[in-house]
Amino acid sequence: AQKITQTQPGMFVQEKEAVTLDCTYDTSDQSYGLFWYKQPSSGEMIFLIYQGSYDEQNATEGRYSLNFQKARKSANLVISASQLGDSAMYFCAMREDNNDMRFGAGTRLTVKP
Amino acid sequence: DTGVSQDPRHKITKRGQNVTFRCDPISEHNRLYWYRQTLGQGPEFLTYFQNEAQLEKSRLLSDRFSAERPKGSFSTLEIQRTEQGDSAMYLCASSSRKVHSRETQYFGPGTRLLVL
Repeated sequence: AQKITQTQPGMFVQEKEAVTLDCTYDTSDQSYGLFWYKQPSSGEMIFLIYQGSYDEQNATEGRYSLNFQKARKSANLVISASQLGDSAMYFCAMREDNNDMRFGAGTRLTVKP
Repeated sequence: DTGVSQDPRHKITKRGQNVTFRCDPISEHNRLYWYRQTLGQGPEFLTYFQNEAQLEKSRLLSDRFSAERPKGSFSTLEIQRTEQGDSAMYLCASSSRKVHSRETQYFGPGTRLLVL
């Protein structure tokens, strides 16, 4: 069964604006971790941000923040003040305590000048 | 050593040949992972090591695939008798052991395999 769903195959955003990339997940575990990675065309997966299921505050890392809504099982990534270099594939991933990391299918973000 | 490295970055081979990829993790990391990523998909877990012990293998890892991490440092992934369906990006990641769900994996640049 699909555990991570990213419903937006592609997104466009104007430079300097904010954009939200959606991610929903499915788990019956109480303890799990949620991750976002960026994959530029070069192929490397770059870790962006982490949210633990027990964390009470939404995670933030510079221009990245995670809008964590536990009851809705969503972990959307918000990128503020988009830059041209943000154009890439973005993957949401989840890890339960006894399972491996599972990735969504990704969202391709294009930042327009 | 600033990150995970993988070699080669690209590999083109003919169907039926064997290929071997290498991954060098971040030096203090004791866990090492292999993933496969096909076009338009997210990475799929293949196997992982804690130090030199291979602790888990995905059912995606057929008997043509073998991975080793003999001294608990670098790892190799070998594919025997390659098939066209093996064409993919092979990603390696490493991490240091924490609470499993909180563990952040850091990825290498990947090896892109094309089987003709």
